This record gives sequence, structure tokens and C-alpha cells, in this order.
Amino acid sequence: GQNIDQPTEMTATEGAIVQINCTYQTSGFNGLFWYQQHAGEAPTFLSYNVLDGLEEKGRFSSFLSRSKGYSYLLLKELQMKDSASYLCAVTGTYKYIFGTGTRLKVLA
Amino acid sequence: GAGVSQSPSNKVTEKGKDVELRCDPISGHTALYWYRQRLGQGLEFLIYFQGNSAPDKSGLPSDRFSAERTGESVSTLTIQRTQQEDSAVYLCASSKTGEGYGYTFGSGTRLTVV
Repeated sequence: GQNIDQPTEMTATEGAIVQINCTYQTSGFNGLFWYQQHAGEAPTFLSYNVLDGLEEKGRFSSFLSRSKGYSYLLLKELQMKDSASYLCAVTGTYKYIFGTGTRLKVLA
Repeated sequence: GAGVSQSPSNKVTEKGKDVELRCDPISGHTALYWYRQRLGQGLEFLIYFQGNSAPDKSGLPSDRFSAERTGESVSTLTIQRTQQEDSAVYLCASSKTGEGYGYTFGSGTRLTVV
């Protein structure tokens, strides 16, 4: 079967670092995406990992271990505007399988 | 167009009525996807188009749901005899190909069945 697991909710403080984990079991793997979704808005692309290792992009980094079926999204220097849901999605062939998302609350 | 455009942005309909949701993808994007997102839930895959053919309709929840696409442009998702459980945000996304390229999502259509 296809399964993607993420924590439902996380809370962190402005200026801190937070790591959002994602584990997956899928029948195929061509890459892993992270999307950000603010309440009432469409998801927007954050990162894409296809090889093992860390991809860094400004305050956001994403890590992938294919052998472990594991990824994380690291957010540094948290800002209030980072309060959103973070969706992990795995692509096997042409379509993405999404996790249920992690709702991140950033507190002042 | 510059982005993926969906209409209407909001739709309230009475139970039992039919609704049609429209998606206008980014020009040149051959792949088009429909997803459904219920309140507080993740994204649920409905259907995938490559050009105007639909190689994967496996996510359509019942035969009340159907979708079409004209060439490599507009797609419509039709829900017949709507039920309250159909209430959700319907998101359309497009990408350059069907493999591994990032989706660009539209803003969605929020459907409320009363």
C-alpha cells in the first residue's frame, strides 16, 4: 500500500528552528516534494529531493534518505508568516501521494 | 496564462444538484491533476490527464464524478447529484510533464453542498 506519515501539529517559537519529519512507504519513488499551504490558500512548492542528502534553500532545507523512506523539512529563523501546513508528497510515476500535512504554529 | 486558474472560487449548491468546476492550466503544461481536500485533511488524488486523455481516474470516488479535458487546456470536473460529503476544496494542478516536475496549483474551488 501507499502510506505517508507526518505529525499532525507542531508549535515553535519565533526565531527558533523546527524540523518536520515525513516517513513514507510507496510502491514507487521518483522524488519527494514539500509544499507550504496557508489556511484557505493553494499549496506552494518549497523543495524537491530525488537523491539522498540535504537540499538547502535559504531558511528552508530538506533532507532525504531513500533507504529509510524518510525525509525532513528544516525551517530556521522562524517567522510568524511560517505558520502554515507543510505537506510532504511522494511521486512514484506521474502523480503525487500527499501526507495529511503538519500544521505549524509559530508563537511570538 | 501565468498561473493555474480555477472557477468558480466558491460554490454553494443544494444537495442533488449538478455542479461543474473549471480549471485553466498553465500554457504548455501537458499534465493536469484534480485533487480534493476536505477540511483539515490532506490532498486526495482524483484524476490525472496527460493531454486530453485520462490514464488514471482511480481517485474518482463514485460514478457521480467525471472529468474532461480539451486538448492541453481547460478541464472541467463535474459532480452529479451532489451530496453533503462532496463539500470540500477542489484543487487543480498542472505540470510540464507527468513525471517528477513540481505541480503548480490553482487557488481551488470551495464547494459547499447544503
